[in-house]
Amino acid sequence: EDKVVQSPLSLVVHEGDTVTLNCSYEVTNFRSLLWYKQEKKAPTFLFMLTSSGIEKKSGRLSSILDKKELFSILNITATQTGDSAIYLCAVAGRRQGAQKLVFGQGTRLTINP
Amino acid sequence: GAVVSQHPSRVICKSGTSVKIECRSLDFQATTMFWYRQFPKKSLMLMATSNEGSKATYEQGVEKDKFLINHASLTLSTLTVTSAHPEDSSFYICSARDSRGANYGYTFGSGTRLTVV
Repeated sequence: EDKVVQSPLSLVVHEGDTVTLNCSYEVTNFRSLLWYKQEKKAPTFLFMLTSSGIEKKSGRLSSILDKKELFSILNITATQTGDSAIYLCAVAGRRQGAQKLVFGQGTRLTINP
Repeated sequence: GAVVSQHPSRVICKSGTSVKIECRSLDFQATTMFWYRQFPKKSLMLMATSNEGSKATYEQGVEKDKFLINHASLTLSTLTVTSAHPEDSSFYICSARDSRGANYGYTFGSGTRLTVV
C-alpha cells in the first residue's frame, strides 16, 4: 500500500527560527514528490521534485529529494508569522496504469511572533 | 499559471438530497482529475481518480454508488454526493493534472465545504 509519512505532525517556533519538515514515502512507481502549503482553503503548490540531490529554492523556502532513502525535506529559514500553515507532502506514483497523488498527514507549523 | 475552478465553494443541503460539485481546468486540459476529502485537522484523503471518457477509479472504502464521478470532457469533472447524510459533511477538493506531462504538476481547486443537515 502506498504510504507518505510526514514529521513532525506539529511544530511551534518563534519568528526568525529555521525549520525543517520531513517527508518519507513508499509509493509504487514513483514519479515525483510535491510540497504544498495549506492555509484556510485549498493547498497551494510550493515545489515539485523528481531528481535526487537537486535543491529547489523559492525565497526562504527550499526542498531536496533523496530517492535512495525515499525522503524529502522542506526548509524554511527566517520564518515569519505568515508561514504558519499546514505543509503537505504528496507523492505521485503510478499503479495499474493510473497516476495518483498520495498525501502525507501534514505538518501543522505555527510561527509565534 | 494553471487554474482549477471548483464550484460551489460552500453548500448546505438536507439529508437525503444529492449535491453536485464541479471542477474545471480553466487554461489547460486535464485528462486526469482527482477528488479528495479532508476532515478537520486531517490531511487529504484520495477518494477517486477521474479519467476523461472512462470510468473513475475509486479508492478502497469509497462507495462508488454514493460518490458519482463524471469526467465528460478534458476540462470538467463532477462529483455528485447522492442521498447525502450528515456524516458526508466534509471539505471536498479536486485536483487536476495537466495533460502536457508530469513537469506541469497538479493544481487544486479551492475546495467545497459540504454541510448536510
